[in-house]
Amino acid sequence: EVQLVESGGDLVQPGGSLRLSCAASGFTFTTYWMTWVRQAPGKGLEWVAHIKQDGAETYYVDSVKGRFTISRDNAKTSVYLQLNSLRVEDTAVYYCARDRRVAVSGIQGDAIDIWGQGTMVTVSS
Amino acid sequence: SSELTQDPAVSVALGQTVTITCQGDSLGSYYASWYQQKPGQAPVLVMFGKNTRASGIPDRFSGSYSGDTTSLTIIGAQAEDEADYYCNSRDSSGNHLVFGGGTKLTVL
Repeated sequence: EVQLVESGGDLVQPGGSLRLSCAASGFTFTTYWMTWVRQAPGKGLEWVAHIKQDGAETYYVDSVKGRFTISRDNAKTSVYLQLNSLRVEDTAVYYCARDRRVAVSGIQGDAIDIWGQGTMVTVSS
Repeated sequence: SSELTQDPAVSVALGQTVTITCQGDSLGSYYASWYQQKPGQAPVLVMFGKNTRASGIPDRFSGSYSGDTTSLTIIGAQAEDEADYYCNSRDSSGNHLVFGGGTKLTVL
């Protein structure tokens, strides 16, 4: 069965740190970009970061750049998100997801086709 | 960075046709994808690429493009289609992803 299982969410004080983990199984992990998406309570989806198959490229939404770090361990088929200098506005469910990149007639796109169940990060004093 | 704009809410009568739109400058350069999210659940991929339904998605769902706008159409909406729908695409750099604000679909 293809699945992603996140862990590591917790209640943390502003300025604190957390490390989220995502264990992948049931597919060839090294074939896919992996991404983190978050959703604040009652709000919409927000892309956070993604990482290339070999880890050589990483990209972040501006609001987390310099504070969050995405990484992967292909031997452990896992992707991670290190969250530092946490702010109240980082409170959200964090989803790990698989990004199946597509190209049709030379035009690129993404299909985030597998999602984890999400892990809750609460930043509060 | 680029933005994707969606109507916050749309309603449709049971069995009728509804179209949800997503507008953004980058849609002239990159394909979008569509996601359905029901309360308390993770999002589910509905549509991607030029007009490809994800695995398990009924054929009453279809997608289209016109200039900088992409649309998700449901022909014969069912009660189980009531959900939030999000579009997603790359920004103008091609290196970042961005989601639209989401459209809450109500089936009356």
